[in-house]
Amino acid sequence: RKEVEQDPGPFNVPEGATVAFNCTYSNSASQSFFWYRQDCRKEPKLLMSVYSSGNEDGRFTAQLNRASQYISLLIRDSKLSDSATYLCVGLGSSGDKLTFGTGTRLAVRP
Amino acid sequence: GAVVSQHPSWVICKSGTSVKIECRSLDFQATTMFWYRQFPKQSLMLMATSNEGSKATYEQGVEKDKFLINHASLTLSTLTVTSAHPEDSSFYICSARDPSGAEQYFGPGTRLTVT
Repeated sequence: RKEVEQDPGPFNVPEGATVAFNCTYSNSASQSFFWYRQDCRKEPKLLMSVYSSGNEDGRFTAQLNRASQYISLLIRDSKLSDSATYLCVGLGSSGDKLTFGTGTRLAVRP
Repeated sequence: GAVVSQHPSWVICKSGTSVKIECRSLDFQATTMFWYRQFPKQSLMLMATSNEGSKATYEQGVEKDKFLINHASLTLSTLTVTSAHPEDSSFYICSARDPSGAEQYFGPGTRLTVT
């Protein structure tokens, strides 16, 4: 079983839609989690950290459920510029290694 | 935010040759850098952890004699793919951890094509 699993998508949504991505992880010792965004042929860029209390950054909301080992990302009012691959990432128990999910591809159409 | 550069951004080489990729942290000193590889439609896979002044730590299944890592200074790590083969064609990305250890910053990646 992969350490971080995501639905690869693609998710094809119209502008203005709300879309949710889910991620599960198998290593209960993982310290922290993040959502990264990766555009085609580019490096991943940090979108936001994920906390158990949930955190919001503009149109983006992330949530961590440690009991279920489940992470979510909600994007409201989707923009064309949100089209990218969203990577769920865990930080190992030793605090240094990042483990990436395979990513969920989002395509926002006009 | 911190900037990490990679050079070259892309390279095409013939099978059997060696290719060196540089990763530099431009505005901070990085005692630890990481090298990842990403095949098409797959996730980033950590290849090795590069520690300044000491030997790199390789992940299981990564040949240390094929992927030579040198971290000679606090701002530069190099990855040399020796005797490259077509199956080594991939997107190689480095990252550097900032001094506070709070975040990793990624380089723009190097696309290697071995013909």
